[in-house]
Amino acid sequence: QVQLQESGPGLVKPSETLSLTCAVSGYSISSGYYWGWIRQPPGKGLEWIGSIYHSGSTYYNPSLKSRVTISVDTSKNQFSLKLSSVTAADTAVYYCARLSRQQLVWGQGTLVTVSS
Amino acid sequence: EIVLTQSPATLSLSPGERATLSCRASQSVSSYLAWYQQKPGQAPRLLIYDASNRATGIPARFSGSGSGTDFTLTISSLEPEDFAVYYCQQRSNWPLITFGQGTRLEIK
Repeated sequence: QVQLQESGPGLVKPSETLSLTCAVSGYSISSGYYWGWIRQPPGKGLEWIGSIYHSGSTYYNPSLKSRVTISVDTSKNQFSLKLSSVTAADTAVYYCARLSRQQLVWGQGTLVTVSS
Repeated sequence: EIVLTQSPATLSLSPGERATLSCRASQSVSSYLAWYQQKPGQAPRLLIYDASNRATGIPARFSGSGSGTDFTLTISSLEPEDFAVYYCQQRSNWPLITFGQGTRLEIK
């Protein structure tokens, strides 16, 4: 059974780069599926940030595309998110997920606060 | 970008009542629509995929219908554990996906 676990700083300063990693267990990333990031500001709805295929092809939300980079490290069986030039509006719970056409399998989420 | 609009924003009902939640797409998404349930402090849980297929382990009181631009999630008889926030999600231009803004189902 696949499990995903997010990790990274819980506090990021404005204008800096938010960096998170998602460790995957119970399934090899290189075997297939899309792997992605979704965020949820406090008290608000879900926003898809972007996804990466196991081959390395990336797909981003057009509204965030200029600031987002998603990469995969198959040797460590993990994938990562970088979001640059953050502001308070980027404060959210960030979820990593395995994406298939039928369902998303979610990590537990990690809260990232943008504040000086 | 396909926009999903959910209504109502908040639905107040009592246990045992029937709940009807709506999701409307700005353009056709065929049957490529899913419904998720989210409780406080938890990740969303898949209820319905491809508009009308219940996910594994989901009780029969949950059902989905619709195609094209108009979709409905129905809970036939509300249980106390059903009060939560519900999101629709489309995948018609896979692997790009979008979510609706959510409907909060609260106890009346």
